[in-house]
Amino acid sequence: AQSVTQPDIHITVSEGASLELRCNYSYGATPYLFWYVQSPGQGLQLLLKYFSGDTLVQGIKGFEAEFKRSQSSFNLRKPSVHWSDAAEYFCAFSGGGADGLTFGKGTHLIIQP
Amino acid sequence: NAGVMQNPRHLVRRRGQEARLRCSPMKGHSHVYWYRQLPEEGLKFMVYLQKENIIDESGMPKERFSAEFPKEGPSILRIQQVVRGDSAAYFCASSPVDRSEAFFGQGTRLTVV
Repeated sequence: AQSVTQPDIHITVSEGASLELRCNYSYGATPYLFWYVQSPGQGLQLLLKYFSGDTLVQGIKGFEAEFKRSQSSFNLRKPSVHWSDAAEYFCAFSGGGADGLTFGKGTHLIIQP
Repeated sequence: NAGVMQNPRHLVRRRGQEARLRCSPMKGHSHVYWYRQLPEEGLKFMVYLQKENIIDESGMPKERFSAEFPKEGPSILRIQQVVRGDSAAYFCASSPVDRSEAFFGQGTRLTVV
């Protein structure tokens, strides 16, 4: 079955520390991969996406993600987090562009001062 | 260029009533997607529409739910005879012709009392 797993429900990081959010997918072909961020009561904002080419993808707000086919992973990283990064982060994939995205359950990021 | 507009932002309905959720895609976008988010869950795909056509409704419940995207006007997600389990946040997204990215609205939070 096609699915996305975000193993960490909550992650707490100190401000200024580095961050890595994990994402693993199960799909029979090369997926289109996305990371979205959701602030409380808001919609989703796209951080970055991978369709093909360079497996290290740069996004907005200083985020990057690396596609590793051998591990079926697309982990999100940021070298130094800011308090404003506190939010819910969703990994998603599809078989074709933005159509019918399959989302993970999300990782809630808490930033400690 | 205004983003994806959803209204109302909050909707309260009594059990058995009808709920109508509206979505105006971004200007120039011809693809619309509806997703449902239950508490502590990721988003679940419901339906994908183009103007006057339902492309993929594999995520729509078989009964009581319907969606349309008419030639003129917003896309409508309609829930008839609502039940408590329909309480959720409903998000609309739109994408341009190349379907390279889905832009999300801020959602409609439906509460069934």
